[in-house]
Amino acid sequence: GESVGLHLPTLSVQEGDNSIINCAYSNSASDYFIWYKQESGKGPQFIIDIRSNMDKRQGQRVTVLLNKTVKHLSLQIAATQPGDSAVYFCAETGGYSTLTFGKGTMLLVSP
Amino acid sequence: KAGVTQTPRYLIKTRGQQVTLSCSPISGHRSVSWYQQTPGQGLQFLFEYFSETQRNKGNFPGRFSGRQFSNSRSEMNVSTLELGDSALYLCASSLPAGGHNEQFFGPGTRLTVL
Repeated sequence: GESVGLHLPTLSVQEGDNSIINCAYSNSASDYFIWYKQESGKGPQFIIDIRSNMDKRQGQRVTVLLNKTVKHLSLQIAATQPGDSAVYFCAETGGYSTLTFGKGTMLLVSP
Repeated sequence: KAGVTQTPRYLIKTRGQQVTLSCSPISGHRSVSWYQQTPGQGLQFLFEYFSETQRNKGNFPGRFSGRQFSNSRSEMNVSTLELGDSALYLCASSLPAGGHNEQFFGPGTRLTVL
């Protein structure tokens, strides 16, 4: 499969644990921040997004936190499952369809 | 509803050649964006097309070009291939209108330049 995981920081957790993946962004003017999940051999898949005027948003088993003061974004995954194993990317956008991606974090979930 | 499709899935070329990659967006999506993904540089924006017009362009040399057809299908072309062009090329489509719209990615085309 595609070697998207090379040179990436890795987070290893046990099944059932909560996972926290962090991301630092650069553009204070970005309107939206998005988390994507990329499994081997597939394109990135949208997980959740948050608008810049919010600091927290919850989805199913996932929560995104935005700290604009320190330009930090995090993704919390509750009760992590083996199927959550993938590379996770944060992305920011100032509008339209131009995404600026972070470097990515590989999440490995052990049964 | 069918997802974003990209053809071919795998491609091997030699330095100096040129290549054309194709992307069919989700039905009804009029914006198509292209990204290059490499282990070293990660995901980088190439360009975005909307209604057959290039709306945004990333920081890539002129060897990289693209176009969009009236049915929203898009192609990207890389001329005079270099070894560093080896990458996964991803296409994403989204609904029209301005502002933030969720982008749906295809599986990518894996280009290897020898």
